[in-house]
Parts: sequence; structure tokens; C-alpha cells
Amino acid sequence: QMQLQESGPGLVKPSETLSLTCTVSGSSITSGFYWGWIRQPPGKGLEWIGSISHSNTTYYNSSLKSRVTMSVDTSKNQFSLRVNFVTAADTAVYYCARDINIGRRIDPWGQGTLVTVSS
Amino acid sequence: NFVLTQPHSVSESPGKTVTISCSRSSGSIASNFVQWYQQRPDSAPTLVIYDDNQRPSGVPDRFSASIDSSSNSASLTISGLTTEDEADYYCQSYDSRHVLFGGGTKLTVL
Repeated sequence: QMQLQESGPGLVKPSETLSLTCTVSGSSITSGFYWGWIRQPPGKGLEWIGSISHSNTTYYNSSLKSRVTMSVDTSKNQFSLRVNFVTAADTAVYYCARDINIGRRIDPWGQGTLVTVSS
Repeated sequence: NFVLTQPHSVSESPGKTVTISCSRSSGSIASNFVQWYQQRPDSAPTLVIYDDNQRPSGVPDRFSASIDSSSNSASLTISGLTTEDEADYYCQSYDSRHVLFGGGTKLTVL
């Protein structure tokens, strides 16, 4: 069955760029759905960051839009997230997931990766 | 965009039934489908309800959900509670290509 796995640095310095990649297995990223990023600060709730189609159509959370970029690499069956100018408030577990039509159904999820912003 | 409001916590005894609410602040709850996710400690969320009241394969029929236009809210009901149901539960909906989550409800089964 489909599985997703996040990868990337676990520690990022303030003002620098957070970069994560999600590798999809068991299904092609060109299968017609969207692919999303969701984050969860320690002890807090879920926040949608944005979603991207295999053809690079993107939708971002308006609160993060100025700092976020998503991209897709169909040759590697991967999609990626970049968050610029990070602060301690960006410290969170970052999840990637399949997103059926922008929030219609988000499933399955990756296991998540903790990114800490600290000097 | 609207806000989805959930109770911070609920508790119930094993074998009993619990209902978790999710209130939409503006716009009709029926305008956009509601999903529910279960998040056990130190685990990723998993989908337990989609399209207001549909269960993905593998989710037991002890989990059910509905929407109520009169209160403009959605509800998740779990019957026959077990300690395995102890988790955080999040409602989620969307609007204008924007995804929103409720703040989450911690379910304690004691």
C-alpha cells in the first residue's frame, strides 16, 4: 500500500531555510491527487501548510504563503517543502500526506519528522 | 475562512459511548465535507471518518459521525470504548482551496 516518508535536517538555525522531502512509495505521485504538508508544534494542534499537484499547482496556507515553496520531482516520486526565514515558532513535527482535492481527504500520512529551529 | 471549535477534552469509561463535537464558526457545515482524524501518542494522525460520515476500510463500525445544520456542527461518536481509543481527535474541513483543522480533543478512557 501507499507509504510516505519525510526526510531532512532535524535542526535549522533561525533566519535560515527549512527544507524537507517526502518520498512516496507504493503509488505514483502522478496518480492524480494532491500532496500536502501539515505541521504540529510540540503539544499543539495540526496546521495545514499547503498542497501541490503532480503538475506543480500549489495552494498554500495564507498565514505562511510568503515564506513557503513546494515542488514536485516526478522522476524520484518525491515532493518537497521549503520554509524561509524560520523562527522558533516554526519548530514542529512536519508531516507529509496525500491530500485528495485540497482537504477532501488527507490519507495516508507519513510518520512525521521533528524540525527544531535553534542556534 | 472559518474556525472549527472542538472541546479541549472529554472522558468516558470503557464500554461506554462518547461524542466529540466540532462547531463551524461561519458558513454552513454542510457546504464542505468534514473529516475526522485519530492521533495516538507519538504517532501520526490517521483518518477515521471522511465525507462527513464515511469510514475508511479498516476503521471499526464503532466509529460514526454526522453533521447537524441546526447547530452548524459535526460530531464524532465512538461506541464500546476501549483503552485503544484514548487519543487526540481532530476534525478537518476546507474552503476556497484552504484546509482547516479543529484544535483537537483529547479523549481519555478511564
